[in-house]
Amino acid sequence: DVKVTQSSRYLVKRTGEKVFLECVQDMDHENMFWYRQDPGLGLRLIYFSYDVKMKEKGDIPEGYSVSREKKERFSLILESASTNQTSMYLCASSPSALITYGYTFGSGTRLTVV
Amino acid sequence: GQNIDQPTEMTATEGAIVQINCTYQTSGFNGLFWYQQHAGEAPTFLSYNVLDGLEEKGRFSSFLSRSKGYSYLLLKELQMKDSASYLCAVLDSNYQLIWGAGTKLIIKP
Repeated sequence: DVKVTQSSRYLVKRTGEKVFLECVQDMDHENMFWYRQDPGLGLRLIYFSYDVKMKEKGDIPEGYSVSREKKERFSLILESASTNQTSMYLCASSPSALITYGYTFGSGTRLTVV
Repeated sequence: GQNIDQPTEMTATEGAIVQINCTYQTSGFNGLFWYQQHAGEAPTFLSYNVLDGLEEKGRFSSFLSRSKGYSYLLLKELQMKDSASYLCAVLDSNYQLIWGAGTKLIIKP
C-alpha cells in the first residue's frame, strides 16, 4: 500500500514563526500536493509538484512556499505564520501515469497559530 | 468558474439506503471521484467514474451522467461506521482535481 506520511499530527505555533510541514511518500509517485481543509470550504490546493525541483502554485499560494529536493519529499513552508493559517493541512501523492487511481492522502496536520 | 455542489449534511438510519448527489460545472472533464473522510482522518478513495452509468462496489455504488453534470454515491445497508464526510471531486481538462465541500453523513441507530 502507498503510504504518505506527514511529520506531525498536531502543531501549535506562534504568529510570525516560520513553520515547516513535511510530507514523505514511499511509492515513487511523481505528483505531490498540499491542500488545506477548512469547514464548509472543502479542500483547497496550495501548491503542487509534478517532479523533483518543480513546483506550481495552486489556488491559494499566498503566504506559503514549498520545496521538493527529493522525489519522495514535499515540504510546505509558512514563511510567517498568521492566525488565518490555522487549518488542517493535507498532503497527497499520485502516480502521473495512473491519475485515475486517485490521490493517496497523508493523515493530516492540524495546525493552530496563536 | 468551476463549481461542485453537494448537500452539506444528510441523516439516515442504520440498515437503510442513502443517495448523496453531486452536480458539477468544470472546464473539461476527465473523471469524477468519490472519497470518504472520517472525522479527523485523511480522505480515502471510494470510486472513479469517467463513463456514464453505474459502477457497483459492494455496498457502495457510484453513478455518472456527463450530459447532466451529475453524479451520485449510493450507500446500501448502512452501518454506523459509514458516518463520515463524502467528498466529490472532478478531474478537469488540466487533470487538476476540483473538490466539493463534502457531505457529512450522520447515521442514526
